[in-house]
Amino acid sequence: KQEVTQIPAALSVPEGENLVLNCSFTDSAIYNLQWFRQDPGKGLTSLLLIQSSQREQTSGRLNASLDKSSGRSTLYIAASQPGDSATYLCAPGEDGSGNTGKLIFGQGTTLQVKP
Amino acid sequence: DVKVTQSSRYLVKRTGEKVFLECVQDMDHENMFWYRQDPGLGLRLIYFSYDVKMKEKGDIPEGYSVSREKKERFSLILESASTNQTSMYLCASSLRYGGSNQPQHFGDGTRLSIL
Repeated sequence: KQEVTQIPAALSVPEGENLVLNCSFTDSAIYNLQWFRQDPGKGLTSLLLIQSSQREQTSGRLNASLDKSSGRSTLYIAASQPGDSATYLCAPGEDGSGNTGKLIFGQGTTLQVKP
Repeated sequence: DVKVTQSSRYLVKRTGEKVFLECVQDMDHENMFWYRQDPGLGLRLIYFSYDVKMKEKGDIPEGYSVSREKKERFSLILESASTNQTSMYLCASSLRYGGSNQPQHFGDGTRLSIL
């Protein structure tokens, strides 16, 4: 059974810092991997999706990498801002789920960016 | 723009009641999902559907059922509500395009309290 771990569980940084959030998963046979952001009391917002054949994806100040064989993904946030404060969730998609898109979620990293 | 709408943001029901949570997406997505989110347990998949009238159990289907009579609507049913079903419920949908799943998009969630 796929298990997803995100480290650290919480992170507090001053504004302007570059930071890295880590995600590891036990079963490397994944279909894709998605990173989400969740604001308190809200639903999830999709940030980036990496297909299993890709190594990384970029959107603005965000860059996500995927090392499928070692079961790792990282989310890099450049020049962090207070508005980046949220919980970030990693979710690999199960292999064999190509027709269903089923994801397994980590517990998330709660980020606070201080002005 | 992608839109997943959950019928209620907050809902209070009594033990033993039959509870319906509704989710509608306007993007013609094939896949739809119901999750619950609890502190310390993260997001857990209850049920998902990859086509009209199709449904599959997720990780925690006990005490729940679902209905998908139309492509855009996916309903979660608590057959006889119990206090341990107090939780945040999140609906999501995704497009299945050429066998490659696209990002999951989430609604804002329904915070359900069972008294």
